[in-house]
Amino acid sequence: ETGVTQTPRHLVMGMTNKKSLKCEQHLGHNAMYWYKQSAKKPLELMFVYSLEERVENNSVPSRFSPECPNSSHLFLHLHTLQPEDSALYLCASSQDGRGGPETQYFGPGTRLLVL
Amino acid sequence: GENVEQHPSTLSVQEGDSAVIKCTYSDSASNYFPWYKQELGKGPQLIIDIRSNVGEKKDQRIAVTLNKTAKHFSLHITETQPEDSAVYFCAASNYGGSQGNLIFGKGTKLSVKP
Repeated sequence: ETGVTQTPRHLVMGMTNKKSLKCEQHLGHNAMYWYKQSAKKPLELMFVYSLEERVENNSVPSRFSPECPNSSHLFLHLHTLQPEDSALYLCASSQDGRGGPETQYFGPGTRLLVL
Repeated sequence: GENVEQHPSTLSVQEGDSAVIKCTYSDSASNYFPWYKQELGKGPQLIIDIRSNVGEKKDQRIAVTLNKTAKHFSLHITETQPEDSAVYFCAASNYGGSQGNLIFGKGTKLSVKP
């Protein structure tokens, strides 16, 4: 185990649903990340939070809304998603923010299917 | 911005043989290059990393080499075992610069046949 947990592990939702993904890190890190992993594509960084403040938003559609209430928890709120949003959503944490050269520890991911 | 190319996309080797995965990057300012291993149903796990002031780093059966002039770096796995079967990702970042976040390659699916 890496010390980063994600729930749920699998999620099926319709395009009109609203759901949330949860990530929790038990490593005492101060930065957390959301990535999208699609088949045959590189991991795509979606959001970065450093010290609970969002420092990066890589032009992600507004139907994805992150929330970081404290340094140990990260949420990704989903609403009116499209089928092309189906992917594995990975959470990661590190001790340095702003993408510094500190090891990023990944959770197991949430496999999302949008129907 | 940074672009990372990774080859091959799939690699099959016999147990005991060596495996080599290569990555190239475009931003000469990149200074940190980690390698991640992702097993089925799990998130990526760091297996080794190298910084731009070092040309080679080893950890038991795993080694990484970096050629800054050519802007490429490689992962070498010796004496492969079936448990090495996984998807391997390279990444690059320019810590302290304008591209501080990790940019990943598309991954290499390694299969080690017993």
